[in-house]
Amino acid sequence: GAVVSQHPSRVICKSGTSVKIECRSLDFQATTMFWYRQFPKQSLMLMATSNEGSKATYEQGVEKDKFLINHASLTLSTLTVTSAHPEDSSFYICSSPGTASSYNEQFFGPGTRLTVL
Amino acid sequence: RKEVEQDPGPFNVPEGATVAFNCTYSNSASQSFFWYRQDCRKEPKLLMSVYSSGNEDGRFTAQLNRASQYISLLIRDSKLSDSATYLCVVNGWTTSGTYKYIFGTGTRLKVLA
Repeated sequence: GAVVSQHPSRVICKSGTSVKIECRSLDFQATTMFWYRQFPKQSLMLMATSNEGSKATYEQGVEKDKFLINHASLTLSTLTVTSAHPEDSSFYICSSPGTASSYNEQFFGPGTRLTVL
Repeated sequence: RKEVEQDPGPFNVPEGATVAFNCTYSNSASQSFFWYRQDCRKEPKLLMSVYSSGNEDGRFTAQLNRASQYISLLIRDSKLSDSATYLCVVNGWTTSGTYKYIFGTGTRLKVLA
């Protein structure tokens, strides 16, 4: 299957700082990348959908000025959490349907655990 | 009502037991259905797709009932390594016109020695 890498795997930062998370497709061109957030004992919640070369589509309730998504190339999508606060502490995961349609399997990155102090 | 509902568990079962998980979904226009497995602090991994005709992969059997909007997963001869959270996932068009994956909260399984 397709491989998606994600960095960093874990980050601890002070409140007010910005954190950038990178997702790379290693062996395919990711036209679409989904960004999810998962709080403890909760399901994955879709934050936004990014398509290469265009603006991301954000889910209702997700602040686009706080969670900046860039998908400038077919192999790299980034999520920047700006001015992070403790309530942003969560597990962030990216995924891509690969080159197939969205009906098929999603290929997930290994996730980034963000802790904001 | 949540779009995808699962019993959170935990289900504590002895090795060798058979365990069944259920999932219901609210959007009748949903098109694709999956079971994913998620280990603690890891990303979800696809376990199997689910079809109306039912499908089996070794000790795992999945079933879809579109009329009842119900999905099931049966695990036979449970192993210690089956301990994980099992996520029910539904693909389809939302009422707002977007296409996306909807995840259930997951059912936690603990297989005991």
